[in-house]
Order: sequence, then C-alpha cells, then structure tokens
Amino acid sequence: EVQLVESGGGLVQPGGSLRLSCAASGLTFSGYWMHWVRQVPGKGLVWVSRINRDGSSATYADSVKGRFTISRDSAKNTLYLQMNSLRAEDTAVYYCTRSVFGEDNYWGQGTLVTVSS
Amino acid sequence: DVVMTQSPLSLPVTLGQPASISCRSSQSLVHSDGNTYLNWFQLRPGQSPRRLIYKVSNRDSGVPDKFSGSGSGTDFTLKISRVEAEDVGVYYCMQGSRWPYTFGQGTKLEIK
Repeated sequence: EVQLVESGGGLVQPGGSLRLSCAASGLTFSGYWMHWVRQVPGKGLVWVSRINRDGSSATYADSVKGRFTISRDSAKNTLYLQMNSLRAEDTAVYYCTRSVFGEDNYWGQGTLVTVSS
Repeated sequence: DVVMTQSPLSLPVTLGQPASISCRSSQSLVHSDGNTYLNWFQLRPGQSPRRLIYKVSNRDSGVPDKFSGSGSGTDFTLKISRVEAEDVGVYYCMQGSRWPYTFGQGTKLEIK
C-alpha cells in the first residue's frame, strides 16, 4: 500500500520536546520536496516547514523558526520534525506531505501533538 | 505573507446542484518561473487533506471531472458541477508561489 505514516505525537508539557517521524511505504520521497503542515483542531491548515530534495535547504514558518527543525533520511525513506520549546499554540494535528505542486501528492494520516501542563 | 480570502465560508448546496468557491490572493500568484502555484484541497471529516487541483486547473488523478479549477493572477475559482453527498467537507485554496505558503480560511460545504 502506498502511504505516508506519521508517528511521534503525544502529550507534552510546555517547554518540552517531541520528534515527529513520517515514514514512506510503497513510495519514495527521494527526489521530492517534503513538507509539514498542521491543523489546530477545528481550525484551518497552516504550513510549518519544507525541505528540499537533498536535505540541504529548509524553510520554516515564523511561528516555529528557531524551535523546529526539519530533516530527512533518504536511506530510511523518512522525514522528521524535531520540535523544541513547545508552546500551547503548537497543539495541532501534524501532517507530512509530498509533491505539493507536482503529480502524485500524498499526505499522511496525521499525528496529534498536545502541549499542555 | 500572502493572504488568501475565500468566499463563501459556508456553502449549503442541494444535491445535484452546482457549487462554486472563490479564492482571492493579496498578491499575484504568478511565480518568477511563470507558473501559478494555486492548489485546492478537500478535507472530509476525520480524513487527511486531499488535493483536488494543482497549479490552478490541473485535476489530480482519481478526482472526478465534476471538479474544475480556473483563474489567474489573484482570482481563482473551484467549481463542482453536481454536488453529491460525498462532497461534504471543507475546501481550502492554498498558494505556493511565495513562502510561507498560505491557505484560505476554508469553505464548509454542506447539503441543504
């Protein structure tokens, strides 16, 4: 089955850290830009970060810059999002996605991150 | 940031009738490479986003041809020729011509 599978979400206290993973199954993300997008429950979608094909360049939304780090491991076909200094406003479902502007766009099922004391 | 403004935000539609969603951007979405990176996504309850249309008018594989996208510059439209029950959900436009990519507020389509 062709899919992206996120993991690593959960409950964390403010100021804490989490690392999200996005594993590709039945498809490759080698050669594609990869992205993280989040959705606060009941609210809209917000782009979080993107990383280029070889992992040499990453871009972040201002709201997470300096706290989140996106990375990729092509050998493992896995995308990561290291989230530090988490805040209540980071609470959301986080999705990974591939090929946003080309053919064959894929999204994972999402992983819920809850930041609360 | 480029602001994406959708209208209407709520769209009650009778089954079998057409529907149309407007999306306007605060800046032209024509990229320096000549492409216009405007996508449309559908969010059904409990599901991940599904891309319907990319680069204004290209329909994704498996998306019924009742969905169509059009527009240019700052004005874009998603049309559904005949609404069915499975079309219920929230529709978002999204621009990727300038970072940060931004989404519209979403249009909630429901059956009247």
